Amino acid sequence: SSELTQDPAVSVALGQTVRITCQGDSLRSYYASWYQQKPGQAPVLVIYAKNNRPSGIPDRFSGSTSGNTASLTITGAQAEDEADYYCCSRDSSAKVFGGGTKLTVL
Amino acid sequence: EVQLVESGGGLVQPGGSLRLSCAASGFTVSSNYMSWVRQAPGKGLEWVSVIQSGGGTYYADSVKGRFTISRDNSKNTLYLQMNSLRAEDTAVYYCARDESHYDSSGYYHEWFDPWGQGTLVTVSS
Repeated sequence: SSELTQDPAVSVALGQTVRITCQGDSLRSYYASWYQQKPGQAPVLVIYAKNNRPSGIPDRFSGSTSGNTASLTITGAQAEDEADYYCCSRDSSAKVFGGGTKLTVL
Repeated sequence: EVQLVESGGGLVQPGGSLRLSCAASGFTVSSNYMSWVRQAPGKGLEWVSVIQSGGGTYYADSVKGRFTISRDNSKNTLYLQMNSLRAEDTAVYYCARDESHYDSSGYYHEWFDPWGQGTLVTVSS
């Protein structure tokens, strides 16, 4: 089965820009979606269909993809963006999640 | 408002069974793909199963042959029947609507939205 690889942890200074990446062979065929999860809460969709944001998600969140790598960029990170972030893509008839990236806002 | 509410979690002994429910409001379960996703304590997300609008079902290898996904159209509710439970099945189980569409360039996109609040399943003696 396919795997999606994410850096376990990333940090960013308040107000700066951070990129969270997700690598995997399946990303050459399928786009990733991105989810934010805060402690004790359910995941929330932040990016879908290449670079679309659901209603209520700030426009500082954006998505991109190149080759086998999908990226979630937060431009001007805020304290409330501190959370775990997961990418997800298709793997044949199944779905696969990345291992998650813990984002710390300093 | 589009909403999903899970129930049915609890403590069960290894080898036991449990049925999770996911009640939907604001949309029709049978017209959508619906998935279960789980998260073991302190771990990442793991996709478990999907039921397609046409009734087709798929499972992660880790649960194939033990778990069964189904729905009750009259109750607008999704289910996950879990049998032969193991300690490694201990997790918070989320249900989610499995959305998809083709964009103007013909590319296929999929995503999970919304998610329920989750229900905790603990498998332990």
